[in-house]
This record gives sequence, structure tokens and C-alpha cells, in this order.
Amino acid sequence: DAGVIQSPRHEVTEMGQEVTLRCKPISGHDYLFWYRQTMMRGLELLIYFNNNVPIDDSGMPEDRFSAKMPNASFSTLKIQPSEPRDSAVYFCASSLSRGQDEQFFGPGTRLTVL
Amino acid sequence: AQSVTQLGSHVSVSEGALVLLRCNYSSSVPPYLFWYVQYPNQGLQLLLKYTSAATLVKGINGFEAEFKKSETSFHLTKPSAHMSDAAEYFCAVTTLVRGSYIPTFGRGTSLIVHP
Repeated sequence: DAGVIQSPRHEVTEMGQEVTLRCKPISGHDYLFWYRQTMMRGLELLIYFNNNVPIDDSGMPEDRFSAKMPNASFSTLKIQPSEPRDSAVYFCASSLSRGQDEQFFGPGTRLTVL
Repeated sequence: AQSVTQLGSHVSVSEGALVLLRCNYSSSVPPYLFWYVQYPNQGLQLLLKYTSAATLVKGINGFEAEFKKSETSFHLTKPSAHMSDAAEYFCAVTTLVRGSYIPTFGRGTSLIVHP
């Protein structure tokens, strides 16, 4: 397996534009997580899915953020409209369903909102 | 709610010296514990994990961690630091929340290795 795949790796956009981040989890994994990493706030869990169903989105900062998982092999995180404070590295991770199963992280998408 | 505390946002050691990165967790039930490493411009990757099989866990690159229930700690050690160990290290605990195993990460500790 190629691991967790994220695209794009880098995104530069202007304030007010819509941003869509994409993730392909490892095949067979039940859980998918979206994280945001910044120097100020560290690693934040935004939302996670279990078998394509969103379970907890309490970490999503505002209504401008939304996430979907239409099937087991694809998820998106959308920001509309984007703001400069959304600039961060966004990670997608997937795992199996047992507590002792580690998370496999993608390489991240570095988002810069000007 | 679970919490993970990593003492020291930065730890600096000399090459060849002992590495000790501290992690304490709060959990009312036996947890699953993990250490992840993040190299610059990369995602996190698993270093080692505790799943109750043994209290002393060995990981990759010569790292190991000891689970101490009485101290609610899971400190990471390596006898001799190498320049390539310079990275960000995250401690994480996974606990069962409403039927799902959810991870909680510490804030991370940046390991600096100087010659």
C-alpha cells in the first residue's frame, strides 16, 4: 500500500477563496482523522470518521470548515471562505478500529491563505 | 476528558548523550499509549506503542519507553543520541469514547541534538 495520500501538498490561496483538501486513506482502515497543526496550537483533531460516517466534529473551528467522506477511499476537508488564520499544515490519518492500532499519517497539506 | 502532558517543549542534548522525553497522561482506565516522531516537512510516524503486553516497550531507532501505571507516565528514552534523532516527538493516548477509540496527543517535544 502507498500509505495515506494527501493532495495538494502545498496550497496558496487568497482570503475569501474556497479551499479543498483531499485524502485517500489506507485500504481497509476503518477510521479517518483530519488534524490541523500550527506552532501556536500544536496538533488539533478537527473531525473523525468511522466507516465513512462522521462521529465527532467538535474540533472543527467554525462553520466555514466542512468535511465529507463519500466512500471508504476518499475524504475532503473544505474551507469556505478561507481566512489568513486558517494557514496551517493539515494532516489526514487513518487507522484500524482497535485501540491498540496506531494511526498512519499522510504527508500533510501546507495551506497558506494570503 | 483525557489529557497528555509532555514536559518541556524543547529538549537539547549532545550527540552521544542520554535522551529522556517525558510524558504523563490522565486516564481512569488502562490506556493504549504511543510515541510518534515527526521529521521536518513530514507527517507523524509511529515510534513505539504500549498495549499492555509488557511495561518496557522497544521501538525503532533504539528508542524505548516504560509504562508506569502508578506514576501515569510513559517516558521515552534512548541511551545515546544521534544527530538524526533531531525531530518533534509526540506522546499520545487512545481511549474508548462512546464506542470509538480516540487519540489524544500531547503538545510535542522538539529534540535538539548538537555535536
